[in-house]
Amino acid sequence: GNSVTQMEGPVTLSEEAFLTINCTYTATGYPSLFWYVQYPGEGLQLLLKATKADDKGSNKGFEATYRKETTSFHLEKGSVQVSDSAVYFCALSDKGGANSKLTFGKGITLSVRP
Amino acid sequence: DGGITQSPKYLFRKEGQNVTLSCEQNLNHDAMYWYRQDPGQGLRLIYYSQIVNDFQKGDIAEGYSVSREKKESFPLTVTSAQKNPTAFYLCASSAQALAGGTDTQYFGPGTRLTVL
Repeated sequence: GNSVTQMEGPVTLSEEAFLTINCTYTATGYPSLFWYVQYPGEGLQLLLKATKADDKGSNKGFEATYRKETTSFHLEKGSVQVSDSAVYFCALSDKGGANSKLTFGKGITLSVRP
Repeated sequence: DGGITQSPKYLFRKEGQNVTLSCEQNLNHDAMYWYRQDPGQGLRLIYYSQIVNDFQKGDIAEGYSVSREKKESFPLTVTSAQKNPTAFYLCASSAQALAGGTDTQYFGPGTRLTVL
């Protein structure tokens, strides 16, 4: 079956530091890949997505590249802000058939200190 | 303003009582989903519906029930059979069509259920 593995957390960084959050996946076929962000007490918001190999998703300074050869979709940001403090989820969808649905990683908490 | 609304934001119930969580969307999406979120476990799929009057069990459907009588509404009932119902419940929708092809899921703000 499909699965998503995220690096263990939590992660604490100083403002303006470089961020990498690792995500690897197992899936049959060619899934779409997503990063969602959850701010405290809220639902999930789509941060970025990529639908095929070598695609790069980007939004709000965050980037992730769909790497089929390493089955990875690592999230990066060059300079984090305190407002980026949240929980980040990597997810995939299998795109096929009538029962397509998302599979989520466990999420990782990012705290950015001033 | 298009979006997904869930109500209430916080819900308290006594053990043994059934409780229904509301989810409404005005995005004209075909598909709707219910997830449960527990600390450190990510999101787990409870039920999903790809079209009105049809729904399927997700990974953890035991102790839950749903209905999909209208396109915009997908209420979730947490029954007394659910052994550990205290959690954060998230509803989502997508423009996914029944014929296949997954589209982005959009989430509501969630309902935090506490069973006393």
